[in-house]
Amino acid sequence: EDQVTQSPEALRLQEGESSSLNCSYTVSGLRGLFWYRQDPGKGPEFLFTLYSAGEEKEKERLKATLTKKESFLHITAPKPEDSATYLCAVHRLNQAGTALIFGKGTTLSVSS
Amino acid sequence: KAGVTQTPRYLIKTRGQQVTLSCSPISGHRSVSWYQQTPGQGLQFLFEYFSETQRNKGNFPGRFSGRQFSNSRSEMNVSTLELGDSALYLCASRAGSYSSYEQYFGPGTRLTVT
Repeated sequence: EDQVTQSPEALRLQEGESSSLNCSYTVSGLRGLFWYRQDPGKGPEFLFTLYSAGEEKEKERLKATLTKKESFLHITAPKPEDSATYLCAVHRLNQAGTALIFGKGTTLSVSS
Repeated sequence: KAGVTQTPRYLIKTRGQQVTLSCSPISGHRSVSWYQQTPGQGLQFLFEYFSETQRNKGNFPGRFSGRQFSNSRSEMNVSTLELGDSALYLCASRAGSYSSYEQYFGPGTRLTVT
């Protein structure tokens, strides 16, 4: 069964304290892995798509990487405005349409 | 370019009633997907429509249905509401090309069933 597991569930950081969020997946053929950011009361905001092992993408203080079994979202020198829930989702091959399978998310809190 | 819009933003219904939620995708996007988000289950896929045809359906009972119009706008309907249907319902749109699978989400409709 396709599954996406994110860890940790919650992460508290001091401003400037870098860390990584993990997304491990088991899927029968990966078409793409997606990272989203969700603020309370809002819909998920698209961050990155990764398609193949070894691929990396960066945006401001965020960097996403992908291996054959997991993805990491590295946060460098975070600021309080980076506080949010970060969601990982996968789209598998040989599937009609685009049904994303989401992890439960990591809630990040950054204090100044 | 305007983002995905959903109406209404908040809704309170009574058990046994039915409800219709609306979604307008990003201009030019032809694919619309619906998701249910709850604290316990997280985000779960409901269905996807592309060019007025349902392409994919998640593991939800038949009480959940949807449709897409020729202008790509979509509606989802839940009949005979149950307390467990209380959730944030999210709509996401995608361009629909085979080279890009990014989905862009709307703000959601918060449904409370009492």
